[in-house]
Amino acid sequence: GDSVTQMEGPVTLSEEAFLTINCTYTATGYPSLFWYVQYPGEGLQLLLKATKADDKGSNKGFEATYRKETTSFHLEKGSVQVSDSAVYFCALGRDDKIIFGKGTRLHILP
Amino acid sequence: DVKVTQSSRYLVKRTGEKVFLECVQDMDHENMFWYRQDPGLGLRLIYFSYDVKMKEKGDIPEGYSVSREKKERFSLILESASTNQTSMYLCASSGTGDRNEKLFFGSGTQLSVL
Repeated sequence: GDSVTQMEGPVTLSEEAFLTINCTYTATGYPSLFWYVQYPGEGLQLLLKATKADDKGSNKGFEATYRKETTSFHLEKGSVQVSDSAVYFCALGRDDKIIFGKGTRLHILP
Repeated sequence: DVKVTQSSRYLVKRTGEKVFLECVQDMDHENMFWYRQDPGLGLRLIYFSYDVKMKEKGDIPEGYSVSREKKERFSLILESASTNQTSMYLCASSGTGDRNEKLFFGSGTQLSVL
């Protein structure tokens, strides 16, 4: 069945470091792809999305490109801030449902 | 802004109790979902609903039921709570049209079953 695999955390970086969180998916056809973020004590919120191959989603300095050839949707940010500390979930939309990865906890040190 | 409100932030219940988790959304969304979130397992879909009085099983429906009597309200019911149902429960909703579009989440209910 459809699934999402993302790198395990926690990931710990210093402020202003470059961030990559890897995400790959398994699905037939062309699912929509998402990154959601969960800040401490809150529910998830959509960070960015892409709906077709080669689309790039971007928001708040984060980017991810829908790569069908490698079935990947890696999350990147050029310079992270302490306020980016959160749990990040990769997800795909398929057959009326959204399937989430297990989440990657990110710690940014000042 | 869309608001999804879950009735309790923290809940402590005893084994065998019947537990109701309530969720209300204020944007006239047709689609509503219940997930549970556990460390190392991510989010798992329990039940979802695309219309009033309609419900569909998700990936882990065992031990749960749901009720959708009104469009804005989606309730999760634990018929007889067990310790393995201790978890964070997240409610979400989305608009009509493409059901794979953006989900709006509530802040979650941390349920502890003793």
